[in-house]
Amino acid sequence: AQSVTQLGSHVSVSEGALVLLRCNYSSSVPPYLFWYVQYPNQGLQLLLKYTTGATLVKGINGFEAEFKKSETSFHLTKPSAHMSDAAEYFCAVSEEAAGNKLTFGGGTRVLVKP
Amino acid sequence: KAGVTQTPRYLIKTRGQQVTLSCSPISGHRSVSWYQQTPGQGLQFLFEYFSETQRNKGNFPGRFSGRQFSNSRSEMNVSTLELGDSALYLCASRTGLAGADTQYFGPGTRLTVL
Repeated sequence: AQSVTQLGSHVSVSEGALVLLRCNYSSSVPPYLFWYVQYPNQGLQLLLKYTTGATLVKGINGFEAEFKKSETSFHLTKPSAHMSDAAEYFCAVSEEAAGNKLTFGGGTRVLVKP
Repeated sequence: KAGVTQTPRYLIKTRGQQVTLSCSPISGHRSVSWYQQTPGQGLQFLFEYFSETQRNKGNFPGRFSGRQFSNSRSEMNVSTLELGDSALYLCASRTGLAGADTQYFGPGTRLTVL
């Protein structure tokens, strides 16, 4: 069964610093990979996704993620944090063997310090 | 194009009651999925409907049920509510059932069971 692990339930970064959120998955085959963001009292918004092709994926708001098959990882980065990046971030996978439903990691809450 | 809408946004019920939540997908999307979000269990898949048929189901008791109408709108029902059913219920829609298809989320319905 597929599973997703996000290292660190809370991350604190200074405004202007690098944001790095880690995501590892377990799957028998390379799945489709997603990063979503959730702001307070809102639903989930897609940041980016990996399906096939280029392993470095660029998303909205300056975020990008790199799919590394050998490490079964899909870490999310942003070079310079902004106060508006304070939110909860979820990594998710989708696999045909599981009916293509989304399986989410536990989430990482990002705090941005001025 | 209008996003996924969910009604109501907030709901308070007492134990033993039943509740029905509604979801209207993005126009043209034929798949609707439901997820439960709680602090303890995180985001968990409930079920997915496509063309009025349940295509996938998560590991939830039979008290949780859903349906989809011919216009793709979906409802989920929870009978005999328990305190542990308090959660944010998120609906997501996508065009089809492929793993690469992006799921677009609504703002959620916050259910409180007293």
